[in-house]
Amino acid sequence: KAGVTQTPRYLIKTRGQQVTLSCSPISGHRSVSWYQQTPGQGLQFLFEYFSETQRNKGNFPGRFSGRQFSNSRSEMNVSTLELGDSALYLCASSPGQGTVQETQYFGPGTRLLVL
Amino acid sequence: EDQVTQSPEALRLQEGESSSLNCSYTVSGLRGLFWYRQDPGKGPEFLFTLYSAGEEKEKERLKATLTKKESFLHITAPKPEDSATYLCAVPPYGGSQGNLIFGKGTKLSVKP
Repeated sequence: KAGVTQTPRYLIKTRGQQVTLSCSPISGHRSVSWYQQTPGQGLQFLFEYFSETQRNKGNFPGRFSGRQFSNSRSEMNVSTLELGDSALYLCASSPGQGTVQETQYFGPGTRLLVL
Repeated sequence: EDQVTQSPEALRLQEGESSSLNCSYTVSGLRGLFWYRQDPGKGPEFLFTLYSAGEEKEKERLKATLTKKESFLHITAPKPEDSATYLCAVPPYGGSQGNLIFGKGTKLSVKP
């Protein structure tokens, strides 16, 4: 099975712009989660989507948003970029319906640099 | 507040020198503890899931154990290719399937 894929892999933007990142989960996985990773804060949960609905959200401002499509592919959007948004954005997928905590499998990430 | 603390932050070993990494957690009703390995510039790679105290899992030179308050990742006779950042994570109390709280990680360097 192909793993989680993310596009683009690298992105440079300037303050005030917006950006859209894309994630394709492992085939058959219906849960997609997004995380932000920075040297200072580590990996932090942004939000999770399951069956096109946001199931959970982390403690991030409203500038961070996402959506999921019927084929489980997901996008996240960051509007009005700030310098502090520079980070590695990671997408993870899991089947999403287990009764025990399922393993999440991560993609390679999108490295965003805001100038 | 649910949280995960990993120690040490960094660990330097000589090839063949065994050691352990620690992951302490505070969360009500643990529903699983996950270990990942992350190489620079890449996404975390899944290693182990532990669900209950006393559980142990092994993979090559790695062995993960779990108690009611912490987990250990034991590395036996490490090789330079084991150099990476090791992350542990737990789901928060009441969290959904796709929500994990991560520790800051232990950066392991193994010198030949």
